[in-house]
Amino acid sequence: GEDVEQSLFLSVREGDSSVINCTYTDSSSTYLYWYKQEPGAGLQLLTYIFSNMDMKQDQRLTVLLNKKDKHLSLRIADTQTGDSAIYFCAERNSGNTPLVFGKGTRLSVIA
Amino acid sequence: GAGVSQSPRYKVTKRGQDVALRCDPISGHVSLYWYRQALGQGPEFLTYFNYEAQQDKSGLPNDRFSAERPEGSISTLTIQRTEQRDSAMYRCASGSIQGLNTEAFFGQGTRLTVV
Repeated sequence: GEDVEQSLFLSVREGDSSVINCTYTDSSSTYLYWYKQEPGAGLQLLTYIFSNMDMKQDQRLTVLLNKKDKHLSLRIADTQTGDSAIYFCAERNSGNTPLVFGKGTRLSVIA
Repeated sequence: GAGVSQSPRYKVTKRGQDVALRCDPISGHVSLYWYRQALGQGPEFLTYFNYEAQQDKSGLPNDRFSAERPEGSISTLTIQRTEQRDSAMYRCASGSIQGLNTEAFFGQGTRLTVV
């Protein structure tokens, strides 16, 4: 079955860049997503990328996709304390089929 | 509405009771998804609807779990004869466009505790 793997923890200093990595197994994954979950809040969609792209940039966020290796990363430039949260990688293989999530990476930002 | 609304936000129930969790999607959204998220885990798919039709219920853990969306808008997830292992955050999401890539917008979730 489909599987999405992420490292569980990442700690960075304020102002540094954070890179959160994700690998997935489904070669037919068409859309890949990054969600952010803050304590007591719902899941917030940060960004997504189509599988025919290899990079997408949105302000401080850069998504890199290596489709050959089935590897997705999220880079947060100039990480702030407000970026502390759990980040989930998710994939789906067509239009509106259900998302398959990883277990999430807890990002801690040290002031 | 402005976003996906779930109610109640918190539910504590005694083992053996039935519970009904409600999801009110973003107005006009075709697709509606239910997920369950245990502590320290990612959301796990339960079931989803396009309009009022249940497309996939393969994630429902057993026959105590059921869901409906009778008019293609509000959905209810029902858990009968609750057990302690049902305790989790139940999340609902809705999406706007059938057949194309769609962003899935999540509600705040219902935290269910079975005691």
